[in-house]
Amino acid sequence: QSVLTQPPSASGTPGQRVTISCSGSSANIGNNYVYWYQHFPGTAPKLLIYRSDQRPSGVPDRFSGSKSGTSASLAISGLRSEDEADYFCATWDDSLSGPVFGGGTKLTVL
Amino acid sequence: QVQLQESGPGLVKPSETLSLTCTVSGGSISSYYWSWIRQSPGKGLEWIGYIYYSGSTSYNPSLKGRATISIDTSRNQFSLKVMSVTAADTAIYYCARTNYDFSSLVWFDPWGQGTLVTVSS
Repeated sequence: QSVLTQPPSASGTPGQRVTISCSGSSANIGNNYVYWYQHFPGTAPKLLIYRSDQRPSGVPDRFSGSKSGTSASLAISGLRSEDEADYFCATWDDSLSGPVFGGGTKLTVL
Repeated sequence: QVQLQESGPGLVKPSETLSLTCTVSGGSISSYYWSWIRQSPGKGLEWIGYIYYSGSTSYNPSLKGRATISIDTSRNQFSLKVMSVTAADTAIYYCARTNYDFSSLVWFDPWGQGTLVTVSS
């Protein structure tokens, strides 16, 4: 069981907007930035969002992140078939003094 | 651009020691933190630990002291050893460069593609 809670799956049709949630506690999300990663199985995971809502250079602005209280969200607008991947959230946990992760959400583009 | 590549045995016997190496290319291993992260079959990611280029380390208590991370700056490599492995240590193991950001170490970029280690007799 992961410290951060994500829905195991999400889906949408091309062009649609999809949101993936990540829920934690005051010891982690509530007090720290959230990071989002995109992962195609068999490849290296890729940083998608840092500091809750910032995009690294090269990441399309279709991807956006937000945080409120002890929850965070990743939104993907203008969904494309190539967005079909696993997405997971991560943050610092003050109790662990280390990073914790969500269980990952498998996004399917219908 | 910096690239990371994990290497090591894909099969380890129970009670033995798992040993993996991460080779960093395209940049220096100095001035960064470097992490090991794993994903067991059907489960989420688990942080194992990190090492600073100077050699200081921090580990996830969940491994109960079985993990050791070391660094060889002359070879641009860092390594992971996990002692007394069981089937529960079967996982894909990833290495990642880690940026210190606002008192936390969650900014993993880039990652290696991961290597599957199976614990079985």
